[in-house]
Amino acid sequence: DAGVIQSPRHEVTEMGQEVTLRCKPISGHNSLFWYRQTMMRGLELLIYFNNNVPIDDSGMPEDRFSAKMPNASFSTLKIQPSEPRDSAVYFCASSRRTGRGTGELFFGEGSRLTVL
Amino acid sequence: DQQVKQNSPSLSVQEGRISILNCDYTNSMFDYFLWYKKYPAEGPTFLISISSIKDKNEDGRFTVFLNKSAKHLSLHIVPSQPGDSAVYFCAASAPDIGNEKLTFGTGTRLTIIP
Repeated sequence: DAGVIQSPRHEVTEMGQEVTLRCKPISGHNSLFWYRQTMMRGLELLIYFNNNVPIDDSGMPEDRFSAKMPNASFSTLKIQPSEPRDSAVYFCASSRRTGRGTGELFFGEGSRLTVL
Repeated sequence: DQQVKQNSPSLSVQEGRISILNCDYTNSMFDYFLWYKKYPAEGPTFLISISSIKDKNEDGRFTVFLNKSAKHLSLHIVPSQPGDSAVYFCAASAPDIGNEKLTFGTGTRLTIIP
């Protein structure tokens, strides 16, 4: 079975440019999460969706960040304009929510973003 | 405000010995705890979990211990193997129905020395 698929794997861009990261969750999973990994803060939750609806976006750093999930098989995380401090690895994860939820997430391989 | 803390950024252990990774949390509402393992250039993968109604959970070479009064959990790996070299993340969630948020720590890089 295919896992969570993220693209691009690597992105190098210049400050001020728009960045779009993409994610395809595991088929049948109804929750999707965007995390950011940095050395200082580890894995931070940016936003998560359940049944394509944003549930908690309290981790989105600022208005430059936005995320959408137009359907059950696709999500995007957009940064506009990008800044050097946005450089990090961005992970998408999905899970199949069952009641309370056990918290077992399946992660993609990540998108490494470098903003010059 | 880091609610889940892994104070050791790195740990080196001889092959065959026990590896002990530690994690502290501050939010008393957390009731479910997980460990994830991450290899370079890969996403984290689930390793083992424990509910707050237990104080120990074992799965093969991996055992997680929970001390609720101290708000502390640890992961024991016995015996340690070279393939265990990875970054280990501790994570926690609160019993809010419909809330699947996992709060992660900063990770501990474990190196197993052959």
